[in-house]
Amino acid sequence: AQSVTQLDSHVSVSEGTPVLLRCNYSSSYSPSLFWYVQHPNKGLQLLLKYTSAATLVKGINGFEAEFKKSETSFHLTKPSAHMSDAAEYFCVVRPASGNTGKLIFGQGTTLQVKP
Amino acid sequence: EAGVTQFPSHSVIEKGQTVTLRCDPISGHDNLYWYRRVMGKEIKFLLHFVKESKQDESGMPNNRFLAERTGGTYSTLKVQPAELEDSGVYFCASSQDWSYGYTFGSGTRLTVV
Repeated sequence: AQSVTQLDSHVSVSEGTPVLLRCNYSSSYSPSLFWYVQHPNKGLQLLLKYTSAATLVKGINGFEAEFKKSETSFHLTKPSAHMSDAAEYFCVVRPASGNTGKLIFGQGTTLQVKP
Repeated sequence: EAGVTQFPSHSVIEKGQTVTLRCDPISGHDNLYWYRRVMGKEIKFLLHFVKESKQDESGMPNNRFLAERTGGTYSTLKVQPAELEDSGVYFCASSQDWSYGYTFGSGTRLTVV
């Protein structure tokens, strides 16, 4: 069965310091992986996606993620946090098998950015 | 382009009442999805439409939930009768093709009291 585990429910960083949000997935096949962000009272916004091309994926707002098949990980990073990055982040997998397009979400990680 | 629109944004109803949630996808997107996040849990898939047809409804919790997409445009999700455990945020998403990603709406926060 496919699953996604976000290893931290809450991450707190200081503005200007690096961000690391951890995600591990379980999939029988090569999945597609996404990171979404949700700011308060907003919809889910796509940050980046991995679809079996380059393993290092660059997204919007300076975020990037690296697909590591050997570690079944897809951690999200940003070199320098900004106050506007405070939000909830979701690691999401789309299993390769089947064609429904159904997404499987991780539990979410709330990022707090301190001044 | 306009995004995915959901309304109402909030709904508070009493147990046993009926509520209908609506989702307007991005024009031209054949694929429409409903997801739900119950408090403290992860976001979970409910169902998937391709145009007006239900492609996958494996996530629908029970027969109190009825989704429709007449004409392959907007979709409605009706809960009848609502129960306390139905409270949560209901998200709608649409896509032209999954490889382009999915565009989500802001969600409808449903509270059943």
